[in-house]
Amino acid sequence: AQKVTQAQTEISVVEKEDVTLDCVYETRDTTYYLFWYKQPPSGELVFLIRRNSFDEQNEISGRYSWNFQKSTSSFNFTITASQVVDSAVYFCALSEAETGGSYIPTFGRGTSLIVHP
Amino acid sequence: SQTIHQWPATLVQPVGSPLSLECTVEGTSNPNLYWYRQAAGRGLQLLFYSVGIGQISSEVPQNLSASRPQDRQFILSSKKLLLSDSGFYLCAWSVGGGGPEQYFGPGTRLTVT
Repeated sequence: AQKVTQAQTEISVVEKEDVTLDCVYETRDTTYYLFWYKQPPSGELVFLIRRNSFDEQNEISGRYSWNFQKSTSSFNFTITASQVVDSAVYFCALSEAETGGSYIPTFGRGTSLIVHP
Repeated sequence: SQTIHQWPATLVQPVGSPLSLECTVEGTSNPNLYWYRQAAGRGLQLLFYSVGIGQISSEVPQNLSASRPQDRQFILSSKKLLLSDSGFYLCAWSVGGGGPEQYFGPGTRLTVT
């Protein structure tokens, strides 16, 4: 069974600080996919990134970066020089192999990030 | 480009009343469709998913049902709402036969009184 743990319930930072959101996962599959989603106060979940289990290369997109480490089963998300607009709930998710024509993700419980001006 | 619509945006219904939430996707064909519920505490619970017209898979037994009458339309229904049905309902789609990432709609906030 797949499991995603986001141990940080809430993080509060001041603007321009760097912040890392932790995600630890469990799976027995050798092929799987990891995701990060952002949920701003409006409620809609916004897809940020997907990582495949066979690609451990870290990724950077502007102020966002992701560190995927299979050895520790972690997929952490770092925001550099945080801004007030980064305030949101961030979800980490895991999908194992396709089942019945669809991938069924397991979501973590989310980390609420509050960036103060 | 693809867009996903949900309506209504908010809904207040009394206990025992029926429910119908609608989700439509534009700009893609044969998508996989999903209904999630997000209760207080933020966890996302997958309720139903569909890989094609008339094909519904239920993840959690409850008093809700789903239907997919058209390729890009997904409906969530209930004959009699319970207080515990209150929450934020999200519809999502993914590329049928494609990648695993899902794209979410704006959601419907349901309050059962």
